[in-house]
Amino acid sequence: GAVVSQHPSWVICKSGTSVKIECRSLDFQATTMFWYRQFPKQSLMLMATSNEGSKATYEQGVEKDKFLINHASLTLSTLTVTSAHPEDSSFYICSADRAGTDTQYFGPGTRLTVL
Amino acid sequence: GQQLNQSPQSMFIQEGEDVSMNCTSSSIFNTWLWYKQEPGEGPVLLIALYKAGELTSNGRLTAQFGITRKDSFLNISASIPSDVGIYFCAGPNNAGNMLTFGGGTRLMVKP
Repeated sequence: GAVVSQHPSWVICKSGTSVKIECRSLDFQATTMFWYRQFPKQSLMLMATSNEGSKATYEQGVEKDKFLINHASLTLSTLTVTSAHPEDSSFYICSADRAGTDTQYFGPGTRLTVL
Repeated sequence: GQQLNQSPQSMFIQEGEDVSMNCTSSSIFNTWLWYKQEPGEGPVLLIALYKAGELTSNGRLTAQFGITRKDSFLNISASIPSDVGIYFCAGPNNAGNMLTFGGGTRLMVKP
């Protein structure tokens, strides 16, 4: 199989704090990982694409200084939500592109609640 | 950009019924993917289609890649309560490195 994990599963934090979310591909290497955001009853919205060893590519309207992405290895990407505010509360999902396929495998998601 | 239109938006059916949902696009896709997402979880890949005209099954699920490469359908036979969730179609862009998602079909199954 192709398993992607995310940590933490959920997090509650105070406004103004920073939150780091990890995404790992457990049994395959992923040169590209993706970060999505999903609001209730909506489809997934791509935030950024990260490639191992290079800077992430952000979608239009996504603040790169607020959503810091680090793709440190072929199996790990992190998303840091800096100075989180209540409007950042959402379900954040990562996916990993298995090399040689056009198929993305998704993590279980991280629910972020900012008080 | 590429857009995927998925229909219906939601379905409420009786257990045991068959379900059909589809996805259309104004542009060509070389791969069609169908995912299922349950509440509080990430999407799980159900079926991947790589060839126009391809018909692929996964248990009670069957999906077809349209000949024109602009559409795909997903059928679920003999639905059961655990089929409840949101089903998304998706296709990669030409470079193969980004997915476009349909709006999803929310399936509810009444026991």
